[in-house]
Amino acid sequence: GAGVSQSPSNKVTEKGKDVELRCDPISGHTALYWYRQSLGQGLEFLIYFQGNSAPDKSGLPSDRFSAERTGGSVSTLTIQRTQQEDSAVYLCASSPEWGAGEKLFFGSGTQLSVL
Amino acid sequence: SQQGEEDPQALSIQEGENATMNCSYKTSINNLQWYRQNSGRGLVHLILIRSNEREKHSGRLRVTLDTSKKSSSLLITASRAADTASYFCATPPGGTDKLIFGTGTRLQVFP
Repeated sequence: GAGVSQSPSNKVTEKGKDVELRCDPISGHTALYWYRQSLGQGLEFLIYFQGNSAPDKSGLPSDRFSAERTGGSVSTLTIQRTQQEDSAVYLCASSPEWGAGEKLFFGSGTQLSVL
Repeated sequence: SQQGEEDPQALSIQEGENATMNCSYKTSINNLQWYRQNSGRGLVHLILIRSNEREKHSGRLRVTLDTSKKSSSLLITASRAADTASYFCATPPGGTDKLIFGTGTRLQVFP
């Protein structure tokens, strides 16, 4: 596709429910990143993928959070038993290659609201 | 934890004035990037400066990097109302491949 696509753009859920957030990176991009941004705050690194593998999961806040990437393309971020503090914008980004010198292309994010 | 911190947290200027934002980071890096964010959603890459560069220009943007002080600055010259956004620096700490973002500067440009 032309850009990074995230779905849904908005998600309202009840505390305790599971949610799945989807990211479609730019075609051919091998690296994929997930970030979380609370209202008025900076970006919190969650996880990144090189192809289908995730070398660094250190940013995942708890074991309720998991992410996978299949076929070197689409990624899903799953939050189990959601809590109110999970409310935030979840941003996905991709880059053509993995590596510290690559610029990231961001999606528009998923606004998650946990009631 | 944040790798970088921007200063100031917020900046308000008139159109035509210059805006300067600063970023300090903690560990050694091989490059530093600046991004812009409108309306709290997706970020857009502005410029990348490598550790062996001291200054880089792109249009009305000028970025400097001082690795001895672990700091960078972003200068926007002749600002426009459309420059109103949040600006973030981002670095890959300690030779890692992940990109860690700073806390951001909210820039407001009044027409």
